Amino acid sequence: AQSVTQLGSHVSVSEGALVLLRCNYSSSVPPYLFWYVQYPNQGLQLLLKYTTGATLVKGINGFEAEFKKSETSFHLTKPSAHMSDAAEYFCAVSDRDNFNKFYFGSGTKLNVKP
Amino acid sequence: NAGVTQTPKFQVLKTGQSMTLQCAQDMNHEYMSWYRQDPGMGLRLIHYSVGAGITDQGEVPNGYNVSRSTTEDFPLRLLSAAPSQTSVYFCAVQLASGVYNEQFFGPGTRLTVL
Repeated sequence: AQSVTQLGSHVSVSEGALVLLRCNYSSSVPPYLFWYVQYPNQGLQLLLKYTTGATLVKGINGFEAEFKKSETSFHLTKPSAHMSDAAEYFCAVSDRDNFNKFYFGSGTKLNVKP
Repeated sequence: NAGVTQTPKFQVLKTGQSMTLQCAQDMNHEYMSWYRQDPGMGLRLIHYSVGAGITDQGEVPNGYNVSRSTTEDFPLRLLSAAPSQTSVYFCAVQLASGVYNEQFFGPGTRLTVL
C-alpha cells in the first residue's frame, strides 16, 4: 500500500511570507498526486493535482506544486500567504492502476499571522 | 445540482447502538468512498464502491458495512457502535476515468459514540 508523509503537522507563517508544505510518497511508480484544503467544519476541496505532463502544477488561490520523481516529493508552495489561507492541507496519492483508492497524509495545519 | 450530500450532520450514539450514515450524489459518478478523519491521522478509507452492486474494503473496514444498490446512494452502516468509531465521516465520489480522477467530498458527518 502507498504511504504519504507530510512533514510538520503545524506550520506558521506571517502574512505575505512564502508558504511551503511538504509531501513525500512511498511508491516507486509515480502515482497520481493531489493537494486538498479543508477549512474548519467543511469537507475537502481540491487545490491541484498532478496526473501527467508538466511537473509544475498550478492550482487555485495562487498555490502550486512541483512533482519531483527523484525525490518522491510533491511539495505545495505559495509565494505570499494571505490570512484566508489558514486551513488544513492534505496531500493524497492514488495508484495509476487502482485510482479509486486514495491514500492521504496526516495533514498540515497552516496558521497565518498578521 | 447538490453534488454530494451527507446526512445527518451530527449524531450522538450510545455504545452498542446501530445507525446508518447516508451519502447521496447527483453527479452520476461511478466511484463512491467512505473515509473517517481522526486528528493527526488524515483521512483513512473505510469502504469504496466502483459501481452499483460492487463494494470493496479499504484500510479500516472493521465495524462498518456498506452496500450500493443504486449509482446515487452509498450508505455506511454501524451495526454496533463503539467509542473508537467517534470520528468525522466523509463520503467522496469520483469519475471512472484514468486522468480526471478528482474526488469530490461531501460536508461530513460528525459522530460521537458514548
